Amino acid sequence: EPEVTQTPSHQVTQMGQEVILRCVPISNHLYFYWYRQILGQKVEFLVSFYNNEISEKSEIFDDQFSVERPDGSNFTLKIRSTKLEDSAMYFCASIQGAGNTIYFGEGSWLTVV
Amino acid sequence: SQQGEEDPQALSIQEGENATMNCSYKTSINNLQWYRQNSGRGLVHLILIRSNEREKHSGRLRVTLDTSKKSSSLLITASRAADTASYFCATDWNFGNEKLTFGTGTRLTIIP
Repeated sequence: EPEVTQTPSHQVTQMGQEVILRCVPISNHLYFYWYRQILGQKVEFLVSFYNNEISEKSEIFDDQFSVERPDGSNFTLKIRSTKLEDSAMYFCASIQGAGNTIYFGEGSWLTVV
Repeated sequence: SQQGEEDPQALSIQEGENATMNCSYKTSINNLQWYRQNSGRGLVHLILIRSNEREKHSGRLRVTLDTSKKSSSLLITASRAADTASYFCATDWNFGNEKLTFGTGTRLTIIP
């Protein structure tokens, strides 16, 4: 079964450093997402991306965050200057079209120290 | 908040028994999806049920949806130790954007 892949699986970074999390969505999918889950809490929506632009973003997705689809296969989340509270599992997800199953990757654990 | 709660928050049962988890939500939805998450791992999709459907089955899983009560249930029959995980419902209510809003999850423990 096709899957969403994410790298790295774990990353530890110093506060203030930039982090890029990478995702390869399922190849024929059109909508892409980033979600995050702080340890022990709900999975929260960050941003959705369609047709090469952000279609919606949450309050969490402030100016420190950005997304890119640089080459037609990768989908990246950049955190410009990480804070301690950015420590979380970050999930990439994709969907083929409206109303279909949303598939998630295995996640990238980010620990900010 | 557009999403309600799942109950119970935690459930422990003996292997072989059935497990039922419930999910409530607050707005009209396009569809509702159930996911499983093993500790520290990714979200595995289980079942999608559309707003015009009332019941769906997949193997040992049975999902019901009652849009009049804005609730759904996930039944796992003949549970196995490997079913130990957290189970989340997620609603797609934002028509046209396909964004999911997750519940708080039920932590299911199957006792061998």
